[in-house]
Amino acid sequence: NAGVTQTPKFQVLKTGQSMTLQCAQDMNHEYMSWYRQDPGMGLRLIHYSVGAGITDQGEVPNGYNVSRSTTEDFPLRLLSAAPSQTSVYFCASSYAWGQAERAEAFFGQGTRLTVV
Amino acid sequence: GEDVEQSLFLSVREGDSSVINCTYTDSSSTYLYWYKQEPGAGLQLLTYIFSNMDMKQDQRLTVLLNKKDKHLSLRIADTQTGDSAIYFCAETPDNYGQNFVFGPGTRLSVLP
Repeated sequence: NAGVTQTPKFQVLKTGQSMTLQCAQDMNHEYMSWYRQDPGMGLRLIHYSVGAGITDQGEVPNGYNVSRSTTEDFPLRLLSAAPSQTSVYFCASSYAWGQAERAEAFFGQGTRLTVV
Repeated sequence: GEDVEQSLFLSVREGDSSVINCTYTDSSSTYLYWYKQEPGAGLQLLTYIFSNMDMKQDQRLTVLLNKKDKHLSLRIADTQTGDSAIYFCAETPDNYGQNFVFGPGTRLSVLP
């Protein structure tokens, strides 16, 4: 019962490098999202998707791209890494509105990213 | 915009009760949530309360909701060292109901 799987768990990037954080879920959830967690700030929404082929911006989308070609996968791309993107990134998934009574988000274990 | 506030730290002795408080701004949230994050792990849903309820009890957990004051609290009875974690209050203010707004998290330390 894998749930939400994120890779890698840790990553160090140099300023200006690009990379993709992977997220996969096996619960057939329509809704997926990416958050970043910074000390004292809780989790802030970066991008989300309500189904394959549909994505939208959250609170802090700048510097990140997403796509959703399948229900299972929702990768997050850093286009040109900056030190301000040093953070812990969480992917979450849940049933879409109308599929379930309420939104219970299932979270991955997180990717700890350091940009130097 | 939406905002969720929590105190950042709480320290209690093992066996005592812990009370974690939260205030939120969006009165349209249908559900309010408490998530728990253990060190090095993702967030796990601890409990939730429907917005037309005042109280919900779930074993050692009691959630109180004061909708007039937009105040939510989580009480953990007989707190154990295994309860040491960060606790996040969250609301879902948008119409789609899936995007969470999280508080900054309260780090609960349980002293033996």
